[in-house]
Amino acid sequence: QVQLQQWGPGLLKPSETLSLTCAVSGESFRGFYWTWIRQPPGKGLDWIGDIQHTGDTNYNPSLTSRVTISVDTSEDQFSLNLTSVTAADTGVYFCARGRRGDHRYFDFWGPGTRVTVSS
Amino acid sequence: EIVLTQSPGTLSLSPGERATLSCRASQSVTSSYLAWYQQKPGQAPRLLMYRASSRAIGIPDRFSGSGSETDFTLTISRLDLEDFAVYYCQQYGSSPLTFGGGTKVEIK
Repeated sequence: QVQLQQWGPGLLKPSETLSLTCAVSGESFRGFYWTWIRQPPGKGLDWIGDIQHTGDTNYNPSLTSRVTISVDTSEDQFSLNLTSVTAADTGVYFCARGRRGDHRYFDFWGPGTRVTVSS
Repeated sequence: EIVLTQSPGTLSLSPGERATLSCRASQSVTSSYLAWYQQKPGQAPRLLMYRASSRAIGIPDRFSGSGSETDFTLTISRLDLEDFAVYYCQQYGSSPLTFGGGTKVEIK
């Protein structure tokens, strides 16, 4: 059974960089799209981007200037960096596994990290 | 970007009733690459359906999905107490991947 465990600071000030990490266990890391998704308070889900074990990334164009997703295949972990945060970046951040090939739906999710941006 | 519009925003039903949730896309979803998720308060979403009509592992057969191109439907044939939650559709046919705004199924 695949498990995703995520961590990172929950409180940031405006202009700081949000950094989260997600560790994967229970199944091969290879071949999947390791993904970050966020959910503003009381709202729906937004895809931030994803990475494969090769390091190939895809980002949401709305965030591409501020986001970097990286991977550490030796530890089966992937990370999110989001620079210059504002209050609009407040929400719950989820890591998730996107299926192989064209099938980028999400079958396993981390529990979520609540991030608040406030001065 | 494909915009997904879910309706209704809220569905008030009683246990045992049938729930019909709609997801409409602003343009055709390639190969019916559409998924449905269930989310309960304080939890991560759970995958219910993929490719519009395929049930994920462990999902009861009271959940079914249908549709193609721009119109998709999630049906819960007989609502169980555990089914009261928010449901999201997601398209993965083109980038950026997008989600609908959600339908809340609440107890009447």
